[in-house]
Amino acid sequence: RKEVEQDPGPFNVPEGATVAFNCTYSNSASQSFFWYRQDCRKEPKLLMSVYSSGNEDGRFTAQLNRASQYISLLIRDSKLSDSATYLCVVRRLDSWGKLQFGAGTQVVVTP
Amino acid sequence: EAQVTQNPRYLITVTGKKLTVTCSQNMNHEYMSWYRQDPGLGLRQIYYSMNVEVTDKGDVPEGYKVSRKEKRNFPLILESPSPNQTSLYFCASSLGLAGGITPSTDTQYFGPGTRLTVL
Repeated sequence: RKEVEQDPGPFNVPEGATVAFNCTYSNSASQSFFWYRQDCRKEPKLLMSVYSSGNEDGRFTAQLNRASQYISLLIRDSKLSDSATYLCVVRRLDSWGKLQFGAGTQVVVTP
Repeated sequence: EAQVTQNPRYLITVTGKKLTVTCSQNMNHEYMSWYRQDPGLGLRQIYYSMNVEVTDKGDVPEGYKVSRKEKRNFPLILESPSPNQTSLYFCASSLGLAGGITPSTDTQYFGPGTRLTVL
């Protein structure tokens, strides 16, 4: 089983709608969580970090559920420019330098 | 401009011909890391470095070498490339642990990627 798993999608979302998707992680020692955005195999860019129960940045909300070992990302009022692949990244407490990436969830926002 | 640069951006080579992909950052970051990205597998960590002269294996280090002789550079070396190393490679850097674990120190900045094809 992969340490970090994501639904690959694609999630087809009408412009203005809300979309949410999850990322599950298997190692309970995981400490820090990140959502990165990647456009068409370009370099990933940080969307947000999550250290406690969640984080919110404008239209984007991340929620962490440690008991069930998943982190979600919700995008409200989707824009065409939100079309991208969203990568879930997990850092473990016992090895700060190591990072585990999910394979990504593709989101396609349609007019 | 703060950035991570990689060279070359594209490379086609043949099996067994040693190559080096350079990575350089101008942000005085302590932490640097190399990843490869393959379809359906996401990014997988090859090697990382917490600071100068400190390197550690990631999840897929076989067939790769790295060095960290100075803070800004972290080259990836393929001594004898094979076709299964055909991939998209990313270098990344972050401030590291010196400033504590905060969103700013944890943020990784990625280079533009190197598309490597080994024939």
